[in-house]
Amino acid sequence: DVKVTQSSRYLVKRTGEKVFLECVQDMDHENMFWYRQDPGLGLRLIYFSYDVKMKEKGDIPEGYSVSREKKERFSLILESASTNQTSMYLCASSFSWGFSNQPQHFGDGTRLSIL
Amino acid sequence: KQEVTQIPAALSVPEGENLVLNCSFTDSAIYNLQWFRQDPGKGLTSLLLIQSSQREQTSGRLNASLDKSSGRSTLYIAASQPGDSATYLCAVMDSNYQLIWGAGTKLIIKP
Repeated sequence: DVKVTQSSRYLVKRTGEKVFLECVQDMDHENMFWYRQDPGLGLRLIYFSYDVKMKEKGDIPEGYSVSREKKERFSLILESASTNQTSMYLCASSFSWGFSNQPQHFGDGTRLSIL
Repeated sequence: KQEVTQIPAALSVPEGENLVLNCSFTDSAIYNLQWFRQDPGKGLTSLLLIQSSQREQTSGRLNASLDKSSGRSTLYIAASQPGDSATYLCAVMDSNYQLIWGAGTKLIIKP
């Protein structure tokens, strides 16, 4: 089974801090994604990566950056955390785009609170 | 711009009933449609994926159909159980290979 592991289930940080959320997948997937999920707004794509050192902006990249130095690891960085970044963050991975018969696989999420 | 709508937003049914969840999308140019389940405070679990050339997929008590021309998909759950209680999300993969998400249907199965 595919395993997508997010480093923390719950995280509490203060405004202005630099926050790192880590995600690791064990299936040699090319694609990795970071979403945030908020009540009433659904899932929104922050950034995605289709290869090592490659990154693409999603729908809401402002205030975030990402890093993918190794194929299995995709990090989300909040450069200077703000209270409006309090949310559930979900990491996902999938095979490359040519495999349209393969779903995205999700981690258990990180519930981040910015005080 | 692709939009995905799920109706109803919430549904409560007695255990044992068969039920249907609905998903509609505005642009038929999709690669696939995916159904996911999300338990409270958890990540998403993939249930079924229907490629654009397919009409339906089945897994156990779940059956998902796709009518691309009308922009609709249904998720049929047979003989519902309390363990089926969760939020069900559908998403379509658009022509840019991005998943466009519905807001979900919160399902409660009453024992």
